[in-house]
Amino acid sequence: AIWMTQSPSSFSASTGDRVTITCRASQLIDSYLAWYQQKPGQAPKLLIYGASILESGVSSRFSGSESGTEFTLTISRLQSEDFGTYYCQQYYTFPTFGRGTRLEIK
Amino acid sequence: EVQLVESGGALVQPGESLTLSCAASGFTFSSYWMAWVRQSPGEGLVWVADIKEDGSEKHYVDSVKGRFTISRDNAKNSLVLQMSSLRGEDTGVYYCARAGSRATYFNAWGRGSLVTVSS
Repeated sequence: AIWMTQSPSSFSASTGDRVTITCRASQLIDSYLAWYQQKPGQAPKLLIYGASILESGVSSRFSGSESGTEFTLTISRLQSEDFGTYYCQQYYTFPTFGRGTRLEIK
Repeated sequence: EVQLVESGGALVQPGESLTLSCAASGFTFSSYWMAWVRQSPGEGLVWVADIKEDGSEKHYVDSVKGRFTISRDNAKNSLVLQMSSLRGEDTGVYYCARAGSRATYFNAWGRGSLVTVSS
């Protein structure tokens, strides 16, 4: 199985900040990487796929990038509704997920 | 509007069986691979199984092979997960999810159905 390691596990930031969440794959996965946002009591919501392709309807404040086995989700100009837990998922082989990054708004 | 609605979750004892269902609407169900994804505090999000558009191909995570069976009824826009010989580690919220193809990302999710395996 391909392991996905996310960092940090949790952090807090202020509205207007630019925040970055990192996900590292245990092997090369090309660009087969998705990012999700999950809020308490809700299902995950797809934000980005193909490492950098924004899902339809998702704010352009979200962006994704990759470098080798390291993938980054960036939220520019953080807003209060961006709180929640963010997960990465690889689909190079059968899908596996990171353990999540909990983002709190200060 | 795409909707996926799971049902069938319950509290069961180890070794028992349970069947989850997912009712799909708002899209052409027969055109998509479908999957079940479990979420638990211990394991996080885990892909459990998926099934091809016509039901001819199915895949499972190793931990459920031989115990779980995924199936679909395209005429009824329905996805089913039959679970047997349930274990404590099967506990979690089970989401029905829409996939674009085999081994891909999930672009629509249901609200989930809670399965608790405990004596």
